[in-house]
Amino acid sequence: EAGVAQSPRYKIIEKRQSVAFWCNPISGHATLYWYQQILGQGPKLLIQFQNNGVVDDSQLPKDRFSAERLKGVDSTLKIQPAKLEDSAVYLCASSLGRGAWSSTDTQYFGPGTRLTVL
Amino acid sequence: AQRVTQPEKLLSVFKGAPVELKCNYSYSGSPELFWYVQYSRQRLQLLLRHISRESIKGFTADLNKGETSFHLKKPFAQEEDSAMYYCALSQTGANNLFFGTGTRLTVIP
Repeated sequence: EAGVAQSPRYKIIEKRQSVAFWCNPISGHATLYWYQQILGQGPKLLIQFQNNGVVDDSQLPKDRFSAERLKGVDSTLKIQPAKLEDSAVYLCASSLGRGAWSSTDTQYFGPGTRLTVL
Repeated sequence: AQRVTQPEKLLSVFKGAPVELKCNYSYSGSPELFWYVQYSRQRLQLLLRHISRESIKGFTADLNKGETSFHLKKPFAQEEDSAMYYCALSQTGANNLFFGTGTRLTVIP
């Protein structure tokens, strides 16, 4: 089974520029997550989608971050404009999760996109 | 609010020695606890979850609600256990994950 795909793997931009990341989840997975992992910290959930609807975006800095999952499959995460403190690895994960909570639902992670803001 | 604490950033043990990675949590509800692992140049992946009460790669973890802990243990460490380990918590009825800061385990040959 193919895993979660992310692109690009690396991105270097200057502050105040815009950047977008793409994620393709495992086929058939209804739930998609974006995490931000700053160096030396654990991943922090930014947004969670169930199909194409947002389940939780309470930790998403909405003044500069946006995310969409228009057709309930692929997703993009955008930062506009970027700040120095946005330098991090952005992880996408997906899980089967089809609405009802399941104690056995497992999140599968992609390789991540490493963003450096100069 | 929920919080996951991993007090050790780095842990080194000799091959064959027992290993324990500590995890403490705070959460007012009934959490689900996980251990995730990231081997060098690999993706973050689930190692085990408390609700399954299983042993994976010789690792076990017991949820102690009195001490709000979920420590990861293995009686005899192997070189291939060297990795970054993250403890994570999921809220009651949710599929979200809140991660600790991680512990880098190095097993010395």
